[in-house]
Amino acid sequence: EAGVVQSPRYKIIEKKQPVAFWCNPISGHNTLYWYLQNLGQGPELLIRYENEEAVDDSQLPKDRFSAERLKGVDSTLKIQPAELGDSAVYLCASSLGAAPYNEQFFGPGTRLTVL
Amino acid sequence: AQSVAQPEDQVNVAEGNPLTVKCTYSVSGNPYLFWYVQYPNRGLQFLLKYITGDNLVKGSYGFEAEFNKSQTSFHLKKPSALVSDSALYFCAVRDDGVTGGGNKLTFGTGTQLKVEL
Repeated sequence: EAGVVQSPRYKIIEKKQPVAFWCNPISGHNTLYWYLQNLGQGPELLIRYENEEAVDDSQLPKDRFSAERLKGVDSTLKIQPAELGDSAVYLCASSLGAAPYNEQFFGPGTRLTVL
Repeated sequence: AQSVAQPEDQVNVAEGNPLTVKCTYSVSGNPYLFWYVQYPNRGLQFLLKYITGDNLVKGSYGFEAEFNKSQTSFHLKKPSALVSDSALYFCAVRDDGVTGGGNKLTFGTGTQLKVEL
């Protein structure tokens, strides 16, 4: 079974530039999550989708971050414009359902460096 | 608000010895508890979880964890450590979604496990 796929794995951009990250969850997983992981910290939830609906985006900085999951499968996370403090690893995860006891499966992440 | 504490930034253990990585949690309702492992430049891999029932949970790669409700702890254990177990370990908690705790997975800051020959 293929795992969660993310691309790109690494991205270096200059501040004020836009950037986008892509995620393909495990087949059949209707719940998708985007997390931010800073160095030396645990992941922090940015947004959670159930199918194509964003059911929790309370931690997403909506002035510069946006996300979409148009057909309830793949998802894209965008930052525009990027700031120096956005340098981090962006992780995508998926789970079989929305129940809180379902484990989440993580992709390898995208390491963003903003110069 | 729910939270997870991993009091040790790093744990060192000799190969073949038992290991323990500590975790305590705070949550408003019934907790669902998870352990994940992260190798360099890779995502988090699920190890095990506690939902309900038996307080001793067995997971992948010989790891187990003991849920202690009175001490609000969920320590990760392995009877005999391997050098290949060296990695970053995260404990996480999620409430049951009934008591209004936010229904999101909250991670600790991680514990670096170093297993030496």
